[in-house]
Amino acid sequence: GAGVSQSPRYKVAKRGQDVALRCDPISGHVSLFWYQQALGQGPEFLTYFQNEAQLDKSGLPSDRFFAERPEGSVSTLKIQRTQQEDSAVYLCASSFGVGISSYNEQFFGPGTRLTVL
Amino acid sequence: QQQVKQSPQSLIVQKGGISIINCAYENTAFDYFPWYQQFPGKGPALLIAIRPDVSEKKEGRFTISFNKSAKQFSLHIMDSQPGDSATYFCAAGKAAGNKLTFGGGTRVLVKP
Repeated sequence: GAGVSQSPRYKVAKRGQDVALRCDPISGHVSLFWYQQALGQGPEFLTYFQNEAQLDKSGLPSDRFFAERPEGSVSTLKIQRTQQEDSAVYLCASSFGVGISSYNEQFFGPGTRLTVL
Repeated sequence: QQQVKQSPQSLIVQKGGISIINCAYENTAFDYFPWYQQFPGKGPALLIAIRPDVSEKKEGRFTISFNKSAKQFSLHIMDSQPGDSATYFCAAGKAAGNKLTFGGGTRVLVKP
């Protein structure tokens, strides 16, 4: 595809349910990032993949959050036993290479808006 | 820990005016400072970025000013247009790293 896509775009879950959010990065992009954006706030880093390797998961808020990218392309962010404080937009971004620079721009998807009731 | 502080939270500017957004950071190891533009329902998109070895960078109507000693940087939008109405985020990161730290965002409204 032309850009990063995410599905579903909207997800409503009852507290305690498990959810899975999907990210399709730009084809060939090595790096993949997940961010959490609370309402009216800036994105906050969750985790980073370089190909299939999860090199940084320092931003995951609890052990209920789990991410994978088994074949180095599509990634899934899973949240177990969802809580109301998990309500946010979850953004996925990908970049061609590694490192952070204007030459390795992070392209963001539209996000998945998760609402936990 | 909020490592990047952004102000103001919102601003209203007349068409043709100048929008100024300020950010301050704490981590002196940061060496990459991008600005992102986000429209409702969309993900952030890179607008312009600067490295600390320069004090100013201009791309079209957008200019970043950088003050390393004060650990501050700002975005100036010249000749603001209604299409510039969006939320703007500053961010900071380490070029050799893998994560960006974002400010809280500034909602800009340009009145025609």
